[in-house]
Amino acid sequence: EAGVAQSPRYKIIEKRQSVAFWCNPISGHATLYWYQQILGQGPKLLIQFQNNGVVDDSQLPKDRFSAERLKGVDSTLKIQPAKLEDSAVYLCASSLVRREQFFGPGTRLTVL
Amino acid sequence: AQSVTQPDIHITVSEGASLELRCNYSYGATPYLFWYVQSPGQGLQLLLKYFSGDTLVQGIKGFEAEFKRSQSSFNLRKPSVHWSDAAEYFCAVGGGYGGSQGNLIFGKGTKLSVKP
Repeated sequence: EAGVAQSPRYKIIEKRQSVAFWCNPISGHATLYWYQQILGQGPKLLIQFQNNGVVDDSQLPKDRFSAERLKGVDSTLKIQPAKLEDSAVYLCASSLVRREQFFGPGTRLTVL
Repeated sequence: AQSVTQPDIHITVSEGASLELRCNYSYGATPYLFWYVQSPGQGLQLLLKYFSGDTLVQGIKGFEAEFKRSQSSFNLRKPSVHWSDAAEYFCAVGGGYGGSQGNLIFGKGTKLSVKP
């Protein structure tokens, strides 16, 4: 069974630029999560989707972050414009409803 | 407020020695507890989980953890550490699966180094 796929794996941008990350969950997983992991900290949830609907985006900085999950499968997370403090690893996870989460390898973002 | 505390930032053990990583949580409802491991450049892999029942849970790679409600703890243990266990370990708490209760709250992690 293929795992959660993410791309790109690494991205370097300058502040005020925009960037997008892509996630392909495990086939059949209805729930998809985006986490932000800042160096030295544990992952923090940004947004949770159930199929293509948002369940929880209370910790998403909506002035600069946006996310969508078209057709309830793939998802993209966008940052526009990026700030220095957005440097982090962005992790995507997916799960069946009411089951454990499986994580992708993450995208490491560096904002200069 | 819901939170997870991992008091040890970095631990070094000798190969073959026993290991215990500490985790304390604060959660208003019945907690679901998890331990994940993260190797450099990799995502998180689930080691074990506790939902209910037997308070001693077995996981993959020879790890086990014990839930102690009275101490709000969920410590991870392994009787004999292998060099390949060197990684970062995260404890997490959630209210269950589905809806907003599916969200996990993570500790800051404990980095494990293994010396030969």
